[in-house]
Amino acid sequence: QSALTQPRSVSGSPGQSVTISCTGTSSDVGGYNYVSWYQQHPGKAPKLMISDVSKRPSGVPDRFSGSKSGNTASLTISGLQADDEADYYCCSSAGTYYVFGTGTKVTVL
Amino acid sequence: QVQLVQSGAEVKKPGASVKISCKASGHTFTTYYIHWVRQAPGQGLEWMGTINPRGGSENRAQRFQGRVTMTRDTSTDTFYMELRSLRSEDTAVYYCALETTATKKFDYWGQGTLVTVSS
Repeated sequence: QSALTQPRSVSGSPGQSVTISCTGTSSDVGGYNYVSWYQQHPGKAPKLMISDVSKRPSGVPDRFSGSKSGNTASLTISGLQADDEADYYCCSSAGTYYVFGTGTKVTVL
Repeated sequence: QVQLVQSGAEVKKPGASVKISCKASGHTFTTYYIHWVRQAPGQGLEWMGTINPRGGSENRAQRFQGRVTMTRDTSTDTFYMELRSLRSEDTAVYYCALETTATKKFDYWGQGTLVTVSS
């Protein structure tokens, strides 16, 4: 049950798009369409942004989108805004277990 | 609205145990799971385990087998996570999170409980 691999950081200017990758194995990301993404601002609890690879919960802007190919899932933030600056974590179901990604810090330049 | 309210910060000595509570309110879900996730200072999220409130069955990450017990009080919709044999590496913020059953996502989160392990 090793953590999923994410880039340590990504950055972009306001209005630009950034994509965060999340690489696992065929036992987690590649084996299930249960990848979710969480946004976490400093000192706050995580917030669900994407579930089931690409579904947006009510209230999440459509600037956030998710996808998956093989063992790698991705989160894309379009039209980057200042409030998007936060840490982002992917998470995959692995049968009866769950594994999180290593986390990515998104910086808005 | 759904709320998960956790107990306050704790300071423990190495070797001791800690028991954190998480009270759920404002939901109408008949079936759901409560998960426990922790985050060491400056580190990422780590899934610890989950409990099914209906039957009380638990499922833990392998590294916490034998050290973590998750329980629930169905009369008050309160959930507990006890971690034993604490060591300095257990210093972290511990979160409870709610999954509406079989949706495989953590829809709601508690505010977190800081546990500091220090001699």
